[in-house]
Amino acid sequence: SQQGEEDPQALSIQEGENATMNCSYKTSINNLQWYRQNSGRGLVHLILIRSNEREKHSGRLRVTLDTSKKSSSLLITASRAADTASYFCATLSGGYNKLIFGAGTRLAVHP
Amino acid sequence: NAGVMQNPRHLVRRRGQEARLRCSPMKGHSHVYWYRQLPEEGLKFMVYLQKENIIDESGMPKERFSAEFPKEGPSILRIQQVVRGDSAAYFCASFTGSGGTNTGELFFGEGSRLTVL
Repeated sequence: SQQGEEDPQALSIQEGENATMNCSYKTSINNLQWYRQNSGRGLVHLILIRSNEREKHSGRLRVTLDTSKKSSSLLITASRAADTASYFCATLSGGYNKLIFGAGTRLAVHP
Repeated sequence: NAGVMQNPRHLVRRRGQEARLRCSPMKGHSHVYWYRQLPEEGLKFMVYLQKENIIDESGMPKERFSAEFPKEGPSILRIQQVVRGDSAAYFCASFTGSGGTNTGELFFGEGSRLTVL
């Protein structure tokens, strides 16, 4: 079963705008990770935030985590056409280092 | 240091045939996961293996599917008597095992895309 649920399912913006994607999950977690997938390719890790962290930055990425609401957000600032991809959140589950992925947000950045 | 290598990248099978997908993890990684992805959907966990051991196969269909990660050689995901519903992209991911995924990320291969005619 899915753990994370992203919203929106699809997002279309212009270059230079910010893109915000949200993820909600159901059970307690050790950490939450965000991955990117370009069309027809594998997933690439973007950022990991631990359950005791509230915010984390990496370049143009900002991730927040609210464990009381069981939700996370990924903000991409000053978006570029190359940011066009699907973005997935993933959480640990089951104590076996098993990552459970959400359905993803498909981001389209138009030049 | 080569990344996670999966082959074949594309595989076409007719209904009833067998599909074998191979995954070589990153050097030094002893933990392998297999995920399945249908078009426009997220990744569904199938199985988690360490060398010579299946740790968690809760996402694997009980029939026709099997996975192994031998002491030597790649991890193999085997699908017997394929049906059209098996058409999907199958991704392998690995990590070191040290500290678990609480301290780092999974490294993914480019996937094997199975088409069942």
